[in-house]
Amino acid sequence: DTGVSQNPRHKITKRGQNVTFRCDPISEHNRLYWYRQTLGQGPEFLTYFQNEAQLEKSRLLSDRFSAERPKGSFSTLEIQRTEQGDSAMYLCASSSLAQPTAKNIQYFGAGTRLSVL
Amino acid sequence: AQKVTQAQTEISVVEKEDVTLDCVYETRDTTYYLFWYKQPPSGELVFLIRRNSFDEQNEISGRYSWNFQKSTSSFNFTITASQVVDSAVYFCALHYPGAGSYQLTFGKGTKLSVIP
Repeated sequence: DTGVSQNPRHKITKRGQNVTFRCDPISEHNRLYWYRQTLGQGPEFLTYFQNEAQLEKSRLLSDRFSAERPKGSFSTLEIQRTEQGDSAMYLCASSSLAQPTAKNIQYFGAGTRLSVL
Repeated sequence: AQKVTQAQTEISVVEKEDVTLDCVYETRDTTYYLFWYKQPPSGELVFLIRRNSFDEQNEISGRYSWNFQKSTSSFNFTITASQVVDSAVYFCALHYPGAGSYQLTFGKGTKLSVIP
């Protein structure tokens, strides 16, 4: 199995611009998660999909953030009108319902590091 | 509310020393899962272990061992004979199925530096 893939790895943008990140989960993993990690902190949950349905959203996910998983495979996370406080590492993870021994184990990608100038 | 505390922010050890990373958690649920992840400088979180709340057996995997004690709400991680490649940030995380939530709650991490 290839792991979770995230693109781009790094993104530098100016305040007020929109940015979009992509996550490709492990093949056949039906659950997909987005987390945000700031310097010196652990990852914080943003949102979760089961197949194409977005089932859970954190209060951290403000109106400027939107996530989609249109066909239940890859996912995108868009941030509109970026602010300097959005600078962070955005991590994607996936997990499988189908494998009992691996159920609920989230496997992470390498993340997209966003810098808002 | 769920919370994970990793009181050690940074630890430095000399290669071949043993090191224990502490993790204390809070949850009201009786059914929950605990995890350890490793984050090397490359950034990717690497899964190390999952333990469910009904299994208090300690586990050993090579140089890694985990001590789960419900009485003290702790899930500590020991690396025996540390190596330079063990240098990374280590995160403890908690998941409780609760109201159908699948999010992980992470501690702030412990940065381990193994000096040759």
